[in-house]
Amino acid sequence: SSELTQDPAVSVALGQTVRVTCQGDSLRVYYASWYQQKPGQAPVLVINGKNNRPSGIPDRFSGSGSGNTASLTITGAQAEDEADYYCNSRDSRGNHFVFGTGTKVTVL
Amino acid sequence: QVQLQESGPGLVKPSQTLSLTCTVSGGSISSGSYYWSWIRQPAGKGLEWIGRIYSSGSTNYNPSLKSRVTISVDTSKNQFSLKLSSVTAADTAVYYCARGARIAVAGTNGYYFDYWGQGTLVTVSS
Repeated sequence: SSELTQDPAVSVALGQTVRVTCQGDSLRVYYASWYQQKPGQAPVLVINGKNNRPSGIPDRFSGSGSGNTASLTITGAQAEDEADYYCNSRDSRGNHFVFGTGTKVTVL
Repeated sequence: QVQLQESGPGLVKPSQTLSLTCTVSGGSISSGSYYWSWIRQPAGKGLEWIGRIYSSGSTNYNPSLKSRVTISVDTSKNQFSLKLSSVTAADTAVYYCARGARIAVAGTNGYYFDYWGQGTLVTVSS
């Protein structure tokens, strides 16, 4: 099956902007969805579709994509944004899904 | 507000079958075009999609687990279930159930999981 690759870790200064990327062949065919996971908690959907934020997700979270890469951008990162972030997409070669390897975002 | 709750044994012996149930509340498992998935996460590792089922009973599985996985649905109880056979220590993980949906924008589809259970830890050990 396809793979979705993410940088293991990124850091951002408080109030600055950080981009988390996700690469994979399936992203040429399907949009990615993005999930935030804090320690000991279930993942929370933050972006779906082209750039849709579910109710309750701050507008500092945004999504974009080009070619085989999807991106999650946090504009004006807050301390509470420190978490692991995972992308997810349907596999372009079948009726199944794959998660990205995950990125740990640290807010300095 | 849709809520999902996993239930089942927290300890399973090697070579036996892991069985979990997800109970959906706040909405019917049969409504809409949703699908219902199982996802797992070993301690300190990433998320792994296990499989999905529609209320019709149609299923899809992760190719790497397909030979050992069965997902079923009981619409009368608003529940869906996971069975994973021949378990080993590598199957020790937090298991989540989640609701999935599709969105179409500008001719391109996207898929997402919008509601998740809190997760349940299953340990495989003798």
